[in-house]
Amino acid sequence: AQSVTQPDIHITVSEGASLELRCNYSYGATPYLFWYVQSPGQGLQLLLKYFSGDTLVQGIKGFEAEFKRSQSSFNLRKPSVHWSDAAEYFCAVGGGRTGNQFYFGTGTSLTVIP
Amino acid sequence: DTEVTQTPKHLVMGMTNKKSLKCEQHMGHRAMYWYKQKAKKPPELMFVYSYEKLSINESVPSRFSPECPNSSLLNLHLHALQPEDSALYLCASSQELAGVYEQFFGPGTRLTVL
Repeated sequence: AQSVTQPDIHITVSEGASLELRCNYSYGATPYLFWYVQSPGQGLQLLLKYFSGDTLVQGIKGFEAEFKRSQSSFNLRKPSVHWSDAAEYFCAVGGGRTGNQFYFGTGTSLTVIP
Repeated sequence: DTEVTQTPKHLVMGMTNKKSLKCEQHMGHRAMYWYKQKAKKPPELMFVYSYEKLSINESVPSRFSPECPNSSLLNLHLHALQPEDSALYLCASSQELAGVYEQFFGPGTRLTVL
């Protein structure tokens, strides 16, 4: 069965520091992977997605993620965090028994300190 | 236009009220989703419509009644809700249900049940 694990419930980083958010997935076939960001009280915005091809994926707002099949991971990175990046981040794997069902991780809450 | 709109933004209702949430998209997407999200938790799938037909009902109580009047519009009718139903209700759409596609999320309706 598909599942996603985000080991870090909460991360605090200083503004300007680098960021890595971890995501591990369990999926029987080739996974379709997504990272979404959610600001307080808002909907989810897609940061980037991986379907196939180049394992390093570039997204919006300066984010990137690397797909590593050997480690079943899809970690999100940003070289320099801005205060506006403070939000909840969800990793998801797509494709369920009935089609385009998403399985979300539990989320990582990011705090950015000045 | 890559926007999913939801109305109202906020809703407060008593346990005996009847209200409806509305979701609209004009991207030509044929799959539409309702999610429920509690604070600091990932979205939980409630219903999925594909080509205006209910495809997935994740064992949601009957006090929640979805409706898809046309390919652009999705409603969620609420009746006799409980305080534990207070949450952010998110609507999403994707190109199709068969296959894996990015889901586009609306900003949500914040529901409070008194």
